[in-house]
Amino acid sequence: QVQLKESGPGLVQPSQTLSLTCTVSGFSLMDYSVHWVRQPPGKGLEWMGRMKYDGDTYYNSALKSRLSISRDTSKSQVFLKMNSLQTEDTAIYYCTRGTDYYVMDAWGQGASVTVSS
Amino acid sequence: DIVLTQSPALAVSLGQRATISCRASESVRSSMHWYQQKSGQQPKLLIYGASNLASGVPARFSGSGSGTDFTFTIDPVEADDIATYYCQQSRNDPLTFGSGTKLEIK
Repeated sequence: QVQLKESGPGLVQPSQTLSLTCTVSGFSLMDYSVHWVRQPPGKGLEWMGRMKYDGDTYYNSALKSRLSISRDTSKSQVFLKMNSLQTEDTAIYYCTRGTDYYVMDAWGQGASVTVSS
Repeated sequence: DIVLTQSPALAVSLGQRATISCRASESVRSSMHWYQQKSGQQPKLLIYGASNLASGVPARFSGSGSGTDFTFTIDPVEADDIATYYCQQSRNDPLTFGSGTKLEIK
């Protein structure tokens, strides 16, 4: 059974760094990509970036200067780090499994992150 | 970036057909996918590659189109289909989503 689960702090102070972990099961990180997608309250979905199965990464240019995605295949974990957080970064952050054609066929439950002092 | 345009909302009676459109700012060939997001839940893949039904998805859901114009259909609509539906393209990076169409029951 394919599962993804996000974990991390629910509250981050402005200008600080967000660190989230996506722990996956039921598939290998060396066979599938993992994407990060976020959704501000009451708004739509924004693709942030991906960790490809071969270890390559790609970021949304709108976030590229602040965003880093890495992984630990031995622990089946993918990590997101984003610095210089502002209130507009308040959102639910999802990790998703991506197929060869970047179809997101499984999603985690999401991690709610609030940026506030 | 490829912009995907969706109508914000659609109201349909139970048992009728719902048709949601998604227009891309440039051709995405058949690299268009559709997701359902119910209130308080994560999105769920329904259609991939413009017209392919994802595993376990009822045949009431279907998709069509290529290039810049795509259609997602639910026929017949059931009460459980109340949700927001998003299109997403994977032709070019960055991957982009439409703004979502909220399906309401008349």
